[in-house]
Parts: sequence; structure tokens; C-alpha cells
Amino acid sequence: GAVVSQHPSWVICKSGTSVKIECRSLDFQATTMFWYRQFPKQSLMLMATSNEGSKATYEQGVEKDKFLINHASLTLSTLTVTSAHPEDSSFYICSARGMGTGWGEQYFGPGTRLTVT
Amino acid sequence: EDQVTQSPEALRLQEGESSSLNCSYTVSGLRGLFWYRQDPGKGPEFLFTLYSAGEEKEKERLKATLTKKESFLHITAPKPEDSATYLCAVQEVEARDDKIIFGKGTRLHILP
Repeated sequence: GAVVSQHPSWVICKSGTSVKIECRSLDFQATTMFWYRQFPKQSLMLMATSNEGSKATYEQGVEKDKFLINHASLTLSTLTVTSAHPEDSSFYICSARGMGTGWGEQYFGPGTRLTVT
Repeated sequence: EDQVTQSPEALRLQEGESSSLNCSYTVSGLRGLFWYRQDPGKGPEFLFTLYSAGEEKEKERLKATLTKKESFLHITAPKPEDSATYLCAVQEVEARDDKIIFGKGTRLHILP
């Protein structure tokens, strides 16, 4: 149980374009979803937290107009990187928790590798 | 100051050589401590949750323990397939939206 998927698993885009990443909880209802980014050999950095039906809460230093997060249903959250630049290239990972998961536990998707050229 | 510190940063062991990974934390009140395994290019895989000092959890060759200041992940007779980065994370009692704070991880390499 507690399976989370992400799509796409990798994407290459040109500088200035926008990219959307989807995160889905497959076998549980995710009341809260989290978006992280991870640089090589670094730990996970939380970007934002989203509760279903509410606006996302962004961590300090994360541009909310650049990283648009939508959590429209209990099984789907999306992250859109707008006007992407090479410095946005990274590994983006979502996680989810909700009904059926242990208290405080988060379950992670497989990640999306974004490369901006 | 980091709230979650993992040591060592990297560890190389021979197959069958048992060892322990450390996770020390400095939070005002601990709601839960989590261990994850992450393989290269993949998302973290949940291993354990510990909630109170003295608690222990086991899964195959892994055992996690918790004190008031740190947690250990003991690996008994590891195999090459145990090679991965092991991440520790904590959740504070006052955490907003169930936010958890990750350590930088320990990269474990088991030599056959």
C-alpha cells in the first residue's frame, strides 16, 4: 500500500518554457502532498506543502510564482515550473500522506529529473 | 545549525560486516523520527517510524533504535543489495502541515 507515482520520470526542456510534473497517490487519499528538490549527493529540500483544496504553503526562498502547485483532488497534485532556466535543473520528488498512512509518515514518488537546456 | 545530523557521510563495508548508522537530532519536541532508503535516481523508500525513546523496529537485516537525542540504524550481516543512501528525518511536535526535516544521509556501500 501507500504507492505514489510521478510523471514524467524525466524531461528535457528549453530555457523559457514551462514544465508540468504530476504526482498521484494510487491506493490512498492524499490529504497532504509535499514537493522536494534534490541536488546530486544532497539531501531533500522541501519546496512546498499542499493540502487538498487549499493554496500551497511555500518554504522560505522558494518563488511561488515560478513553482506553481495545484492540489485539486485527493489523489493528484501538480508542480509547474514556469519560465524554466538551467539553474532549475534538478531532481524533483513529491511525497504524500493521508488516509491510511501512518501518523506523520510520508510516501515518496520515484522522482522527476528535469534538465533545462 | 542543522537539526538533523547523520554520520558517517559515507561507509564502505564488506559483505557480512555489521555496523551502525547514526542520526542525531536537536528539536524542541519530537513527534516522530523516520528512516528512509534511497537508491540512486529514485525517490526515498519508507523503512521505519519511531515515536518514543526506547522504541525499536526491525525489518530483515535492519534494526532502528531511538533515544532522546539520537537514533541508530543497525545493519546486521549486510549484503550488496543493501547498498543505498539511508536518510533520517524528524518531525517536531509543532510541525506545520506535518513537515519533516531530513538529514543529509549516509551513503552505504557493501562490497561483495
